[in-house]
Amino acid sequence: KAGVTQTPRYLIKTRGQQVTLSCSPISGHRSVSWYQQTPGQGLQFLFEYFSETQRNKGNFPGRFSGRQFSNSRSEMNVSTLELGDSALYLCASSLVAGGEKLFFGSGTQLSVL
Amino acid sequence: SQQGEEDPQALSIQEGENATMNCSYKTSINNLQWHRQNSGRGLVHLILIRSNEREKHSGRLRVTLDTSKKSSSLLITASRAADTASYFCASYYGNNRLAFGKGNQVVVIP
Repeated sequence: KAGVTQTPRYLIKTRGQQVTLSCSPISGHRSVSWYQQTPGQGLQFLFEYFSETQRNKGNFPGRFSGRQFSNSRSEMNVSTLELGDSALYLCASSLVAGGEKLFFGSGTQLSVL
Repeated sequence: SQQGEEDPQALSIQEGENATMNCSYKTSINNLQWHRQNSGRGLVHLILIRSNEREKHSGRLRVTLDTSKKSSSLLITASRAADTASYFCASYYGNNRLAFGKGNQVVVIP
């Protein structure tokens, strides 16, 4: 069974641009959650999707958005990038919403210049 | 937002020694789990302990939970070089949001 796949692995953008990150969960998993990891703030919850619906959202500005497709794949979008958005973005999948055991992808390392 | 806090932040030990990390949290939790991260990659789920459990084992890992002190500890016995990683505790709060601690960096010297 393939694991959680995140693309791209690395991304370099400039301030003001927007970016879209992709996450393919493990087959059969219907919940996808996103996290931002930075050296200063650590791991912070962004949002969780289940059956194409956002169930929970963390304390991030509206520039951060996401969606989930009918095949459970999820995308995360950040608009009007700021230098502080540079981070490792991780997605995790689980069988059900709020699933106790999360399976993480390798992440997308975003650098904003 | 509420987060667990691990203590100590960094730990360097010799191969074969035991490594202990602590985590504290602020309010009631449904469960607490520990994850490992190697070199900025994705996290790997290690072990989960529920709020009504006090101790749990998985291989060389032992986790304890003290709900009266709102704290948990992770013990890695007979450490190996491959255990070198960052270890995070995380807990689900009532709204099913997972909050992570700052992480412990463990270096196992061969």
